[in-house]
Amino acid sequence: KAGVTQTPRYLIKTRGQQVTLSCSPISGHRSVSWYQQTPGQGLQFLFEYFSETQRNKGNFPGRFSGRQFSNSRSEMNVSTLELGDSALYLCASSTGTSERINEQFFGPGTRLTVL
Amino acid sequence: KNQVEQSPQSLIILEGKNCTLQCNYTVSPFSNLRWYKQDTGRGPVSLTIMTFSENTKSNGRYTATLDADTKQSSLHITASQLSDSASYICVVSNAGTYKYIFGTGTRLKVLA
Repeated sequence: KAGVTQTPRYLIKTRGQQVTLSCSPISGHRSVSWYQQTPGQGLQFLFEYFSETQRNKGNFPGRFSGRQFSNSRSEMNVSTLELGDSALYLCASSTGTSERINEQFFGPGTRLTVL
Repeated sequence: KNQVEQSPQSLIILEGKNCTLQCNYTVSPFSNLRWYKQDTGRGPVSLTIMTFSENTKSNGRYTATLDADTKQSSLHITASQLSDSASYICVVSNAGTYKYIFGTGTRLKVLA
């Protein structure tokens, strides 16, 4: 079974631009979560989508948005990029249906650099 | 406030030695606790998952313990190898919310 894939793996943008990141979950998984990871902050939860609906949201500004398609693939968009948005963006998929044994599988991440 | 704290922040040990990483949490209600290993620049990989009723779980040379009463967990690595050099992240799931609270991790370096 193929793992979680994320595209692109690396991205360089300038301040003010916008960016879209993509995540394809493991086949059969309906939950996709997005995280931002910076050296000083560790993993910060952005949001989770389950069956095309945002089920949970972290404490990030509205510049960060996402969506999920009917095939469970998810995209994350960041508008008006700031230098502080430079980070590794990780997505994780899970079945999303049984929390007690609900294991998250992470993708390799997208490294975003904002200049 | 739901929080997960890990200690130490970083650790250097010699190859072949054992080490123990700590995780304390205040997440309530508790659902489960996971330990992940993350190599630099890559996504985390799950090592163990423990629910409320489990107090120990092993995965090869990795053994995790959980004390739900004191809200503490530890990850013990036996006979460390160079490939164990990575960050180890403790994650606690908040029951009923599908939310995961992440610790900031322990950076382990194993030297030859």
